[in-house]
Amino acid sequence: EAQVTQNPRYLITVTGKKLTVTCSQNMNHEYMSWYRQDPGLGLRQIYYSMNVEVTDKGDVPEGYKVSRKEKRNFPLILESPSPNQTSLYFCASSPRGRIYEQYFGPGTRLTVT
Amino acid sequence: SQQGEEDPQALSIQEGENATMNCSYKTSINNLQWYRQNSGRGLVHLILIRSNEREKHSGRLRVTLDTSKKSSSLLITASRAADTASYFCGRVDSSYKLIFGSGTRLLVRP
Repeated sequence: EAQVTQNPRYLITVTGKKLTVTCSQNMNHEYMSWYRQDPGLGLRQIYYSMNVEVTDKGDVPEGYKVSRKEKRNFPLILESPSPNQTSLYFCASSPRGRIYEQYFGPGTRLTVT
Repeated sequence: SQQGEEDPQALSIQEGENATMNCSYKTSINNLQWYRQNSGRGLVHLILIRSNEREKHSGRLRVTLDTSKKSSSLLITASRAADTASYFCGRVDSSYKLIFGSGTRLLVRP
């Protein structure tokens, strides 16, 4: 089944404890992206990647890191999480030339205390 | 803000009625997309309309685009309780970022 998977789905952590949220897609998509969703603010893009080893900042990259060493994986790293990073996070991917047609993962609900 | 704006923020209708949501944006576009999100889940791509199109249909969905007014509308006809969700418009900017509006929450009452 073609899909985008994220792990973990739920995470409660403490301020400053490094964490990684994994994202994987099995559709051979070039484009991958991370979003955070907060009430009243809609979805905001954190980072995106046009292809392997190519990443760019989105609208809210501060406090996050990403890497794209393989086509299928695009992990999101929070080196020192803070409470303002409590949010619902989505990973998405899309095929070459069709960035607008994004396939979203199920989401990761992160709480930083 | 680069984000589009959906209007209304929330909409409550009776099953069988039509639901209309609007989206406005600020910069020129090549195309505009509409997505749906069920509570707490990822977005699902519904329909895309290109800048040279004025109207597009897909099942019970009808999307219009007015580039002179920088606005689009999504019409869901004969709504069903299962249509209850949030609906977002999105566009790709010149830096290949996909920008979403803040969404319209639709409640269809049985």
